[in-house]
Order: sequence, then C-alpha cells, then structure tokens
Amino acid sequence: EVQLVESGGGLVKPGGSLRLSCAVSGFSVNTYNLNWVRQAPGKGLEWVAFISSSGLYIFYEDSVKGRFTISRDHAKNSLSLQMDSLRAEDTGVYYCATENPWNWGQGTLVTVSS
Amino acid sequence: NFILTQPHSVSESPGKTVTISCTGSSGSIANNYVQWYQQRPGSAPTTVIYEDNQRPSGVPDRFSGSIDRSSDSASLTISGLKTEDEADYYCQSYGSSNQRVFGGGTKLTVL
Repeated sequence: EVQLVESGGGLVKPGGSLRLSCAVSGFSVNTYNLNWVRQAPGKGLEWVAFISSSGLYIFYEDSVKGRFTISRDHAKNSLSLQMDSLRAEDTGVYYCATENPWNWGQGTLVTVSS
Repeated sequence: NFILTQPHSVSESPGKTVTISCTGSSGSIANNYVQWYQQRPGSAPTTVIYEDNQRPSGVPDRFSGSIDRSSDSASLTISGLKTEDEADYYCQSYGSSNQRVFGGGTKLTVL
C-alpha cells in the first residue's frame, strides 16, 4: 500500500528556513514522479514543486523559484523540500503527492509569522 | 499563465445528479490529462478521477469524468448524490511550462 507521511512543519519567522520531509512506504522514491502541493488557510490547492521519477527533471512554481529546493533521499526513501527566505504568504498545509496515480499524504502545517 | 476555472459552489439534493465544470484558459485541457480531487473539511485531498475519466479502485462508479475538447473543458459528474459527497472538488491539469495547475475549487453542498 502506498503511504506518504509528511513532517517538519512548524512556526518560523519571516526570512527563516524550514525543511519538510515526506517518508514514503509501499514504493521506492524513484518509482513515481513526486510533487509538493500547499494550501493556505481557507484557500485552494496550489502546486509548489515537482521532481521526476528519474530525478532529471525538477520544476517549481514561480513564487518559490530560488527559495525552495525539492530533493529525494534514496537511503531514507523520502522526499524533501528545503524552504529558505520564507514569507508570510508561504503559510499553509504542505502535502507531498505521487503522480500517475496521485496519492496524497496527510500534510504538515507551516506557519510563517513574527 | 495557464488557468483552470471552476464554479465557486454548486448544490443539489440527495439522489440527484450534479456536474462540476473546469474550463482551461488556453487550450491545454484538450492536450493534457485532467484529474479531479475530493477534499472533505479537515482532511487531505483524495483522487476521484485521473487521466480524464479513470476511477481509482474504491471510488464508486457514481463518479465520472469527461472532456469536451471543443470548449476546452472538463467535467466531473456525480450521480445518486449522498450527503457524504459534500466536499470541495478540485480539477488539475498541466501548463505549457510543465507546471501542475489546480482549479480554484468547487464547494459541493448536498442539501
């Protein structure tokens, strides 16, 4: 069974950094394309970042380019999102998700506030 | 930028059929797969339709997806509505620069 479990969320000041992790089970991280998707409080879903199953292709939503970095750790069978220069508008629940098919984790809350 | 437009809300009675539309801004729906996600309050999204019209195992056949290439739109139809179907529904597809794009979401009320 495919399972994804996010961790690493919390409260951080504007300009700070946070690293999210997504532990996967039931498959290897190089089996599927993987995404991070976020949801601001009371708002809709917003795609953040993508890494292909091969690791050769990485794409970001425009507002996070240069600040966020998506990566995979084969030894830990996990997906990560390094978030730097955080802004208030980055606040929300962050979900990791496989693609084709789309399976979702339960999310981890990131709050950027002074 | 590619945009997917959904109605903000729809409502229908139990047992009836409802259709939620998802319209693309620049012809991409005709050329890319569309997925649909259900999100109940306080829960993570789940997939109800993938690759335009495929249902994951466990999703009842009351849920169906379709594409109208002439209008560059996708639709999610839910028949035999149940109160448990009350949720937010999001369409998702792909932009020209490899972005994954979500619609703004539709709140379905079953009253």
